[in-house]
Order: sequence, then structure tokens, then C-alpha cells
Amino acid sequence: NAGVTQTPKFRVLKTGQSMTLLCAQDMNHEYMYWYRQDPGMGLRLIHYSVGEGTTAKGEVPDGYNVSRLKKQNFLLGLESAAPSQTSVYFCASSRTGASQETQYFGPGTRLLVL
Amino acid sequence: AQSVTQLDSQVPVFEEAPVELRCNYSSSVSVYLFWYVQYPNQGLQLLLKYLSGSTLVESINGFEAEFNKSQTSFHLRKPSVHISDTAEYFCAVRLNTGGFKTIFGAGTRLFVKA
Repeated sequence: NAGVTQTPKFRVLKTGQSMTLLCAQDMNHEYMYWYRQDPGMGLRLIHYSVGEGTTAKGEVPDGYNVSRLKKQNFLLGLESAAPSQTSVYFCASSRTGASQETQYFGPGTRLLVL
Repeated sequence: AQSVTQLDSQVPVFEEAPVELRCNYSSSVSVYLFWYVQYPNQGLQLLLKYLSGSTLVESINGFEAEFNKSQTSFHLRKPSVHISDTAEYFCAVRLNTGGFKTIFGAGTRLFVKA
């Protein structure tokens, strides 16, 4: 039982390049989330999914797209990377969207955009 | 709107000393409260949470937090810290009727010295 995994762990991009971050969970969770973590700030929600085939915008969605074609996978795409997207990206999942539900986090992807 | 303030960005402490990490929140409605821990190069892990009932909640590794509604605080304490407690700690809130949307504090870096 691996929990939540993320690939890659680290990536360097040039401005304007594109990439996809992959998140996978093996807990059969319905809800999945993408957050970004910046120095001196808490985690901020980028996009989320309430089930296979669904996606929705979070707090800071601009410049990102997501897809959830399979229940266990949640992909985060950057079509044209900008230096402002330099951050640590965390994926998380939860069984339901209830307020008391625990979210389980992946180890993160460090992205540097030059 | 809800907000979370972690009053200290860094807390250095000697091993076996007590520690308190402070968290204050602002909300006009009832909330659930969480503390997460992030060890170096890892994702966030739930440390403890307050949903209802006893205002003092404990974790399995000796941390405890007390919900104080009148002071809108949820400070995290440990009577004797270990080197292995070195990590970043995040306080977070959710509306108890607001689903999964979580407001995170900026984090407190606990550094335990030998």
C-alpha cells in the first residue's frame, strides 16, 4: 500500500515549456487535490476532483489544467510554464469531501522554472 | 472569510525542552482544526485534529493541542521534544459544514538542537 505517490520528484523547466505532474493513489479515494506550497505561505488549492471524470477550480487555478481519466490518477498540467510557477506541488486524496475527513498527501514535486 | 495565523515562523529549542507552537484562527462560524507535520522532503501528515468533544486532543507521538474557543486558538504543545521532531508544522481550519476546503497557516519550522 503505497498511499499517494507523485512523479517526478524534481524538475527544472525553461519559461514557456510544458509538463505534466502525475499523482496516483491506491486507497480507492473519491476526492483528489493539487496544492502548491510557497515560502512563508500555507498550501493553496489549485484544482480538485470529486470523482473520476470530474475536475474543478480551486483557489489559484490560473496557468494550470487537470484531468482525472482514471479514479486512481490525477494529472496536473502546465501548458506554458512561468517563473511564478516555481513551487513545491503536493497532491492529496481523501475518501470523501466531508469536513472531518483526513487528507493524505504525497511527497511533493519541486518545480523550478527558469 | 476564515484565516489562520501561526505566530512564529521558526522555533529553535533544545532537546528535552518543552515547546509550544502557536496558532490563532478567525472564523464567524464553527470550524474543525488540524495540525499537520511535514518532515524534510516529505509530504504533510496529519498530526491531530479537533472535531468536537474534549477540547484537548493528543497525538500518538506525545504532542497535544487545546482548542480554546474564546481565544480562537489551537496551540500545539509537547512537554519534551526529540531531535526527530524537527519539522515544519502547519495549523489548518475547515468550516464544519464547508466540506474539504482547508485554510492553512504559513507554517512554523521547529528546529530541535542537541
